[in-house]
Amino acid sequence: EAGVVQSPRYKIIEKKQPVAFWCNPISGHNTLYWYRQNLGQGPELLIRYENEEAVDDSQLPKDRFSAERLKGVDSTLKIQPAELGDSAVYLCASSFGAGGNYNEQFFGPGTRLTVL
Amino acid sequence: AQSVTQLDSHVSVSEGTPVLLRCNYSSSYSPSLFWYVQHPNKGLQLLLKYTSAATLVKGINGFEAEFKKSETSFHLTKPSAHMSDAAEYFCVVSDRGGTASKLTFGTGTRLQVTL
Repeated sequence: EAGVVQSPRYKIIEKKQPVAFWCNPISGHNTLYWYRQNLGQGPELLIRYENEEAVDDSQLPKDRFSAERLKGVDSTLKIQPAELGDSAVYLCASSFGAGGNYNEQFFGPGTRLTVL
Repeated sequence: AQSVTQLDSHVSVSEGTPVLLRCNYSSSYSPSLFWYVQHPNKGLQLLLKYTSAATLVKGINGFEAEFKKSETSFHLTKPSAHMSDAAEYFCVVSDRGGTASKLTFGTGTRLQVTL
């Protein structure tokens, strides 16, 4: 079974440029998460989707970040314009359900973004 | 509110010796606790989880952790380290009474295993 797929794996851009990351979750997983992991830190949740609905986007910097999951399957995270401080690894995860009990989140390999 | 503190940013052990990675947590509710491992250029992998059953939890690759409520700790141990255990380890908490499946990660402990 394929795991969570992310692309690209690496991206280098200049500041003020736009960038987009793509994630395809494990088949059948209705919950999808985007995390940001700064160097030397643990991942921090940016946004969580249940099917196509963003149910928790409280940590998403909405002035420059946007995300979509139009058909409730794959998702795109966009930054426009990128700033130097956006350099980080962007992780996507998925799980089957997200109710009161813990449902294991499966993580993709991440996209390492470098903003010059 | 929930948080975890990983007490060591870096731990170095010799191959074949015990591993101890320390974690303390804070939670407003009865927590679920996890350890994840991250190898270079690979996704985070769940090692083990505590969700209110047995306080001593066994995970993959010979790792185990003990939930101690009185000490608010969830330390990760392994009797004998292997070279392949070298990686970054994250202690994670989830408030089962709070937002469903919201994970809060610690800052990580880098485990180095030497010959």
